[in-house]
Amino acid sequence: EVQLVESGGDLVQPGGSLRLSCVASGFTFSTYWMYWVRQPPGKGPVWVSRIKFDGSRIDYADSVRGRFTTSRDNDKNTLYLQLKSLRVDDTAIYYCATPALDFWGRGTLVTVSS
Amino acid sequence: DVVMTQSPLSLPVTLGQSASISCRSSQSLLHSDGNTYLNWFLQRPGQSPRRLIYKVSSRDSGVPDRFSGSGSGSDFTLTITRVEAEDLGVYYCMQGTHWPPGYTFGQGTKLEIK
Repeated sequence: EVQLVESGGDLVQPGGSLRLSCVASGFTFSTYWMYWVRQPPGKGPVWVSRIKFDGSRIDYADSVRGRFTTSRDNDKNTLYLQLKSLRVDDTAIYYCATPALDFWGRGTLVTVSS
Repeated sequence: DVVMTQSPLSLPVTLGQSASISCRSSQSLLHSDGNTYLNWFLQRPGQSPRRLIYKVSSRDSGVPDRFSGSGSGSDFTLTITRVEAEDLGVYYCMQGTHWPPGYTFGQGTKLEIK
């Protein structure tokens, strides 16, 4: 059974930083692209980033490029999202997901507020 | 960038009746590889989105055959026959054909009891 478990969400001040993690199980993590999607409160999902199975290619949405960094550790079956220069409008539930978003984790809440 | 437009945004239904949701894209979603990457998701209250339909009309494992997807080019429809209480929530269409800008979601359609 595919499982994705995110963690690391917290309340942080504008301009702050945070690192999110997503631990995967139930599939061969090292052979799949992985995705980050976020959902602001009361709004629809928004794609954030994707990373190739070997980490050799990473794409970002315009809204986070230069501030967020995606990485992975295939030995630990773990996906990461480093968030920097956080803004109030980065407040959202952050989900990791498999290709074509067929499986999602439960998400972790990031709140950016002073 | 491609824009996904859903209608209606709110859909009151009587249990046991049928419901249809429209999704239109600002560009054709036909990929050069011959596939059309249009997915449908359901998000129940307090849960992560769940994929129901991929590549326009293919149902994910465990999705009842009451759900069907149709369409081509830039015009798509999700139809639910004999709506049940477990079908209530917000439905999103999403395109995966055009990169950049990456996965792009519609605004969502809230299916609720009339």
